[in-house]
Amino acid sequence: AQKVTQAQTEISVVEKEDVTLDCVYETRDTTYYLFWYKQPPSGELVFLIRRNSFDEQNEISGRYSWNFQKSTSSFNFTITASQVVDSAVYFCAHYRAGNQFYFGTGTSLTVIP
Amino acid sequence: DTAVSQTPKYLVTQMGNDKSIKCEQNLGHDTMYWYKQDSKKFLKIMFSYNNKELIINETVPNRFSPKSPDKAHLNLHINSLELGDSAVYFCASSQGGPNEQFFGPGTRLTVL
Repeated sequence: AQKVTQAQTEISVVEKEDVTLDCVYETRDTTYYLFWYKQPPSGELVFLIRRNSFDEQNEISGRYSWNFQKSTSSFNFTITASQVVDSAVYFCAHYRAGNQFYFGTGTSLTVIP
Repeated sequence: DTAVSQTPKYLVTQMGNDKSIKCEQNLGHDTMYWYKQDSKKFLKIMFSYNNKELIINETVPNRFSPKSPDKAHLNLHINSLELGDSAVYFCASSQGGPNEQFFGPGTRLTVL
């Protein structure tokens, strides 16, 4: 069975601190995709990144970076120099063939000014 | 222009009623989805649909049914509403497969 675990339910950091959101997935598929989505307090879900199982290269986009490690089945997300606008619920998700998406339970991040 | 829109934004209704939530996308996508997000923020896919195939999450009660009049619309019809149906329902669309999904603003359903 596919499963996505985000063990951190809630995290609070002070502005400008770095924070890492953990995501661990379970799958027996050799081909799969992983995603991160952001849900700010306004409620909409916003796509952040997609990774396929054959590309373990880490990705950096501004203050955001992602560390994909197949050996530990993890796809962690780091925000550097956090800002208040980063306060949101962040979801990690796993995709397998057949339009099947599995979302983690989300990590609620609060950045304190 | 809003890429994925849903109506209504809020829906309050009594137990036992039948209701529909509408979803429209103007992105030209082939695949649309319905998700349910409960009060604990758990997000679960209910359906994915393109013009060829409907995939239903086996945990979804058959009181829920998607209806697609055309490729740009996927409405969600709910029969005999129950208290446990209270949640935020999100529509999404994509090019299908493992592509980025674009989500609508959500419909907050409250069943009294």
